[in-house]
Amino acid sequence: GENVEQHPSTLSVQEGDSAVIKCTYSDSASNYFPWYKQELGKRPQLIIDIRSNVGEKKDQRIAVTLNKTAKHFSLHITETQPEDSAVYFCAATPFSGGGADGLTFGKGTHLIIQP
Amino acid sequence: DAGVTQSPTHLIKTRGQQVTLRCSPKSGHDTVSWYQQALGQGPQFIFQYYEEEERQRGNFPDRFSGHQFPNYSSELNVNALLLGDSALYLCASSSLGQGSYGYTFGSGTRLTVV
Repeated sequence: GENVEQHPSTLSVQEGDSAVIKCTYSDSASNYFPWYKQELGKRPQLIIDIRSNVGEKKDQRIAVTLNKTAKHFSLHITETQPEDSAVYFCAATPFSGGGADGLTFGKGTHLIIQP
Repeated sequence: DAGVTQSPTHLIKTRGQQVTLRCSPKSGHDTVSWYQQALGQGPQFIFQYYEEEERQRGNFPDRFSGHQFPNYSSELNVNALLLGDSALYLCASSSLGQGSYGYTFGSGTRLTVV
């Protein structure tokens, strides 16, 4: 089955600086890579995702890059703000559109934005 | 528009007991997936239900079972509870055509086994 490794486990950056979180996956059949943000005591919320037919996707201060050959993908957050403090999870799945595609999650990165 | 609702929010059970958790999917969604999130870990896929059938299952023992009703709501049952079953249980709903692509997560049920 799929295995997703996520690094670092904790990341502390100064407000206004950039943050990068990296994930690697093992199953070459995986083709859908979402990122979730989970604040303490709250539900995971999708912040951005990418499919394997594109190499990069951007949404305002957030971007995700994908390297299919190396089997790794990264989350980039620019101009970090205090509200970006949370745990971020990457995930992967061989999405087929047929519904039977449970996500495999990484262990999470606790992002701390220092004022 | 109601999102995914789970009940109860918190639950304390004793080892060996059985527990049932409930999930109502987001309006318009027909597929329900269940995840277990241990403290400090990422969610782990338990299983997915569509058309009242289990379509896919993760690496969980048979003590974990589920059901989906005609109105798309779902139950997760865990028998013979172990201390290690203590976790946040998350339900996610989507439309079959989107699978995990359209996931909306509920806020979860915090299960504590003592």
